[in-house]
Amino acid sequence: GAGVSQSPRYKVAKRGQDVALRCDPISGHVSLFWYQQALGQGPEFLTYFQNEAQLDKSGLPSDRFFAERPEGSVSTLKIQRTQQEDSAVYLCASSFYGIDSYEQYFGPGTRLTVT
Amino acid sequence: GNSVTQMEGPVTLSEEAFLTINCTYTATGYPSLFWYVQYPGEGLQLLLKATKADDKGSNKGFEATYRKETTSFHLEKGSVQVSDSAVYFCALSDLMDSNYQLIWGAGTKLIIKP
Repeated sequence: GAGVSQSPRYKVAKRGQDVALRCDPISGHVSLFWYQQALGQGPEFLTYFQNEAQLDKSGLPSDRFFAERPEGSVSTLKIQRTQQEDSAVYLCASSFYGIDSYEQYFGPGTRLTVT
Repeated sequence: GNSVTQMEGPVTLSEEAFLTINCTYTATGYPSLFWYVQYPGEGLQLLLKATKADDKGSNKGFEATYRKETTSFHLEKGSVQVSDSAVYFCALSDLMDSNYQLIWGAGTKLIIKP
């Protein structure tokens, strides 16, 4: 079946613009994660959904970042008034929730460049 | 808090050489441990995992053993190929942590020369 997809793959935004990044998880996956990956670094956790419920948003760096998953499938990460420090690759991952289901499946990421 | 430390790269080897990429961790609970690989231009892929102490994860000739006594999960391969060139990430997920978020190392870039 299809894997996790993300769109757009690349986004260039001028400082101050709003952006919206989309994630389509694997069908049937209950859990959805967003990570931010700076150049040359490992991913950093942003937020987590279980179905439509956002259970953890402790990693969101500021109130300019907002994520939603209204129907428990597709998720959108929105960044308002983008800043240069927001430039990174944004990764989405999904997994089938369960005590033994640790494996997260990743999308290709969206590379955001803020100029 | 939980953390993962892995050896810095880049690591440059000749084809057929033996590979070790070191990974150590700190965790408050009972973590599961993972190695992910990121090939050029592609997304992160799970390479192997181990969910309890002394477990050995293996895939595509790569192996890693979950060593609780040394809090380590070193990645090894007996004979690397040019196609193994990629960035390798060690990560953990701690049952004591809610939501199973992954905690990541910084990644190690592996370059294999023919």
